[in-house]
Amino acid sequence: QVHLQESGPGLVTPSGTLSLTCVVSGVSLNSYDHYWGWVRQSPGNGLEWIGTASFSGSSYYDPSLERRLSIKVDTSRAQVSLRLGSVTAADTAIYYCVRVLSPYSDFWSGYYFFDYWGQGAQVIVSS
Amino acid sequence: IVLTQSPGSLSLSPGQRATLSCRASESVTGRYVAWYHQNPGQAPRLLIYGASRRPTGVPDRFNGSGSGTDFTLTISRLEPEDFGVFYCQQYGDSPLTFGGGTKVDMK
Repeated sequence: QVHLQESGPGLVTPSGTLSLTCVVSGVSLNSYDHYWGWVRQSPGNGLEWIGTASFSGSSYYDPSLERRLSIKVDTSRAQVSLRLGSVTAADTAIYYCVRVLSPYSDFWSGYYFFDYWGQGAQVIVSS
Repeated sequence: IVLTQSPGSLSLSPGQRATLSCRASESVTGRYVAWYHQNPGQAPRLLIYGASRRPTGVPDRFNGSGSGTDFTLTISRLEPEDFGVFYCQQYGDSPLTFGGGTKVDMK
């Protein structure tokens, strides 16, 4: 049974760095059949894809977040990490770790959907 | 691509049929539309991908259809656990985008 569990600080100060970790169980992270990523949800912006990463080290980010964002897959720890720098109140959201699928074999297509979700981690950006 | 879901909300009783619409601002390549269901306080759950394909474990009362700019999710007979918010998502164009959701509540 595939299980994703997010963890990390629930409160981040403005201009700081948001860091979350997702522990994955029940499935191997070493696969070209799927990827890993993050989706966030806020009352103002709804559901937003943040970015996707592969165990091979490739990553593909939403262009609006790319300068501030890093997503990595650590196969030795079965973890997916998210780091988002220079945060503002607009980054306040529930952050979901997701398993990512694509109808194309090309990771760089950006054509993704999400078949497994973690329970979500609420992050508030405030001083 | 902007996805517009309608209606914004729907009040129905268990056993009734629900029909939810997702309209895209441009044609969606490959019918690459997914539907998700979310209960309060829980994560979204994938119901449909490729416009009409159900993942293993999703009941057959959930049916997706459509092509081009118009897509539909039909729930043939609502069960108590089906109430909540439904989202469509397109992944036929980059960046992928989500609709704003349709809330289905119990009458």
